[in-house]
Amino acid sequence: RKEVEQDPGPFNVPEGATVAFNCTYSNSASQSFFWYRQDCRKEPKLLMSVYSSGNEDGRFTAQLNRASQYISLLIRDSKLSDSATYLCVVIPSGGFKTIFGAGTRLFVKA
Amino acid sequence: DTAVSQTPKYLVTQMGNDKSIKCEQNLGHDTMYWYKQDSKKFLKIMFSYNNKELIINETVPNRFSPKSPDKAHLNLHINSLELGDSAVYFCASSQSSNTGTASRPQYFGPGTRLLVL
Repeated sequence: RKEVEQDPGPFNVPEGATVAFNCTYSNSASQSFFWYRQDCRKEPKLLMSVYSSGNEDGRFTAQLNRASQYISLLIRDSKLSDSATYLCVVIPSGGFKTIFGAGTRLFVKA
Repeated sequence: DTAVSQTPKYLVTQMGNDKSIKCEQNLGHDTMYWYKQDSKKFLKIMFSYNNKELIINETVPNRFSPKSPDKAHLNLHINSLELGDSAVYFCASSQSSNTGTASRPQYFGPGTRLLVL
């Protein structure tokens, strides 16, 4: 089983749609979680950290479920500019090793 | 002002050559990383330095040698380049937590696209 797994997609959605991505992780001792986005031929950029109580940033909502070992990202009212690859990141406790998921590709169409 | 910068952006070279990639961050972070992103777009950590000390070396061939002259710089030297080394190499930095771990987000440089012919 991979340490971090994501549905590779692609997800093709119309503008204005709501789309959700899930990411599962295998190490129950994982302590820190993030969502990054990566545009084509660009570097990954931090989208948001994921907190235990869940957190929201504008149209984006992140959730963490430690019992089931998954994190999720919800994008509401999708924009064309949301088209990108979304990367789930997990950091196990006690160290610096950072594990990226393979990414989920999102296409938002007019 | 660029937070994490890398040079060069593009590197095209022949098999067997030796090359270096440089990385600098002006964020005041104490931890720096090298990642490799292959043709399948999978991003994998190679090395991590915390306060100039190597703390992660993820089964990378010893042809790859990182060097951190100070907390703001992390360079990557690659000897005897092979075709399979062709990839995008990203440098990143973060500030370690109060407990001395990497629980804070990382910020990436623009990447160095390496093509080995």
